[in-house]
Amino acid sequence: NAGVTQTPKFQVLKTGQSMTLQCAQDMNHNSMYWYRQDPGMGLRLIYYSASEGTTDKGEVPNGYNVSRLNKREFSLRLESAAPSQTSVYFCASSYGPSYNEQFFGPGTRLTVL
Amino acid sequence: GENVEQHPSTLSVQEGDSAVIKCTYSDSASNYFPWYKQELGKRPQLIIDIRSNVGEKKDQRIAVTLNKTAKHFSLHITETQPEDSAVYFCAASSIYNTDKLIFGTGTRLQVFP
Repeated sequence: NAGVTQTPKFQVLKTGQSMTLQCAQDMNHNSMYWYRQDPGMGLRLIYYSASEGTTDKGEVPNGYNVSRLNKREFSLRLESAAPSQTSVYFCASSYGPSYNEQFFGPGTRLTVL
Repeated sequence: GENVEQHPSTLSVQEGDSAVIKCTYSDSASNYFPWYKQELGKRPQLIIDIRSNVGEKKDQRIAVTLNKTAKHFSLHITETQPEDSAVYFCAASSIYNTDKLIFGTGTRLQVFP
């Protein structure tokens, strides 16, 4: 079991460029999440997907879009990157609301110049 | 919406001493309170959690207590060891949306030998 995997590990973008962060899980989890982690700010939820075919906004959704491609995969897209989106991005998954424990991926360190 | 405050932001203890980290939450509908540990450069991992129908939970050297009236919960680590050095995050989710975890800003714990 690979658990939760993310690609890429590192990325540098210029302001205005677009990119998609990929996340996949092999634990047959129903729920998937995208967080960003900034120094002194903890983990903030960007978007989540409670089940295949559904997505919902979290605390900081502006500037991002997501796609729940199938049960395994949940991608995060930055359409026009801004320096304020420089952060470490974590994907996570869980069985669902009754089980709660979230399993995190290794993270993607994104720098926007 | 829910707000979770965490204190202190940094904590230094001598090996063998106890460490206590405190969190307060604002939403009286919160019913699930996990604690995650994040070692330097690694992903967050769940170490212990508590639900609102329980006042205390222990797992070896770590324990969590919950005071629903005061809306605060605490992580207690006894007999600290250097490998306990990490950033610890508390979080809370509401009974109305258990998928949506709101995290505190984190506590950096350093255990000196």
